[in-house]
Amino acid sequence: DAGVIQSPRHEVTEMGQEVTLRCKPISGHNSLFWYRQTMMRGLELLIYFNNNVPIDDSGMPEDRFSAKMPNASFSTLKIQPSEPRDSAVYFCASSFSAYQETQYFGPGTRLLVL
Amino acid sequence: AQTVTQSQPEMSVQEAETVTLSCTYDTSESDYYLFWYKQPPSRQMILVIRQEAYKQQNATENRFSVNFQKAAKSFSLKISDSQLGDAAMYFCAYRSAEYGNKLVFGAGTILRVKS
Repeated sequence: DAGVIQSPRHEVTEMGQEVTLRCKPISGHNSLFWYRQTMMRGLELLIYFNNNVPIDDSGMPEDRFSAKMPNASFSTLKIQPSEPRDSAVYFCASSFSAYQETQYFGPGTRLLVL
Repeated sequence: AQTVTQSQPEMSVQEAETVTLSCTYDTSESDYYLFWYKQPPSRQMILVIRQEAYKQQNATENRFSVNFQKAAKSFSLKISDSQLGDAAMYFCAYRSAEYGNKLVFGAGTILRVKS
């Protein structure tokens, strides 16, 4: 079975550019999560969706970040405009339901903003 | 708010030996889940083991086992018969059973395995 799929795996961009990260959750999973990993802050939840609806976006750092889930098999995290401090590894994870305890992570997208 | 603390930034173990990674957490909730995730150099987050707080029995997955002490809010991971492939960053994580679905992670422990 395919796990969580993320693209691109690596992204290098210049400050001010728009960045779009993509995620395909495990088929049948109804909850999707976006996490960010940095050396300074560790792993932190940005936003999560249940049945394609955003439930908790309190971790989204600022208005430059936005996330969508147009259907059960696809989500995007967009940064516009990007800044060097956005450089991090961004993980997408999914679980069978909002209250199913185990989240399965994708391989991550390593973002570098110059 | 819940917090997770991993007090060992780095640990080393000889191949075939046993090592224990420490984790403590702070919460006022009675029902929750605890996890250990492994992150090898590939950066993939891999679930190692999970524990439900309402279960008294410690979880075990092959060479991995936990020592869950609910009253002490402690959740350590024991790796037996350590293998070179166990070398990775290990994260302890907490999730409430009642309020939202956010995983709260500790800072991680780097495990080095010596041959």
